[in-house]
Amino acid sequence: GDSVTQMEGPVTLSEEAFLTINCTYTATGYPSLFWYVQYPGEGLQLLLKATKADDKGSNKGFEATYRKETTSFHLEKGSVQVSDSAVYFCALSEAGAGKSTFGDGTTLTVKP
Amino acid sequence: NAGVTQTPKFQVLKTGQSMTLQCAQDMNHNSMYWYRQDPGMGLRLIYYSASEGTTDKGEVPNGYNVSRLNKREFSLRLESAAPSQTSVYFCASRKGPAQLVSTDTQYFGPGTRLTVL
Repeated sequence: GDSVTQMEGPVTLSEEAFLTINCTYTATGYPSLFWYVQYPGEGLQLLLKATKADDKGSNKGFEATYRKETTSFHLEKGSVQVSDSAVYFCALSEAGAGKSTFGDGTTLTVKP
Repeated sequence: NAGVTQTPKFQVLKTGQSMTLQCAQDMNHNSMYWYRQDPGMGLRLIYYSASEGTTDKGEVPNGYNVSRLNKREFSLRLESAAPSQTSVYFCASRKGPAQLVSTDTQYFGPGTRLTVL
């Protein structure tokens, strides 16, 4: 079945540091890939997505590229801010599956 | 635009009590989902409804029942609560229909924090 593996956290960075959160997946078909973010006390919200190989999703300075050859969708940001502190979830969705598969989430803390 | 709403926001139950978590969306979405979130275990799918009139089990359905009341509403019922059901419960929806589309974003509610003593 489908699965998503995220790098284990928590991740602690200083403000303005470079961020990478690794995400790899296994799927039987050609899934769409997503990054969701969860701020403290809130539900998840979409950060970015990519729907086919080599697509790059971007939003709020975050980027991720759909790499079919390495089955990866790593999240990057060049300069993190304290306000980026949150839990980040990688997810995939396949047509016909009826549901999405989520990774376990990676907690990011950014210190001033 | 309210999006996905959930009630209640907090609930404390005693073992054996029953309760229903309510979820509603105003985006005319076809598909709706119930997840639980536990520390260190990410999101686990309990039940989902790919379209009005259908429901299917997810990863962890035991101890729960659902009702897709209409296109807007999808409720989750705990018939006899157990301490292992202490968790944060999220409802989500997406445009769907889920069988055909994989590119849709899921929209999440704010969550219900349930404690079973």
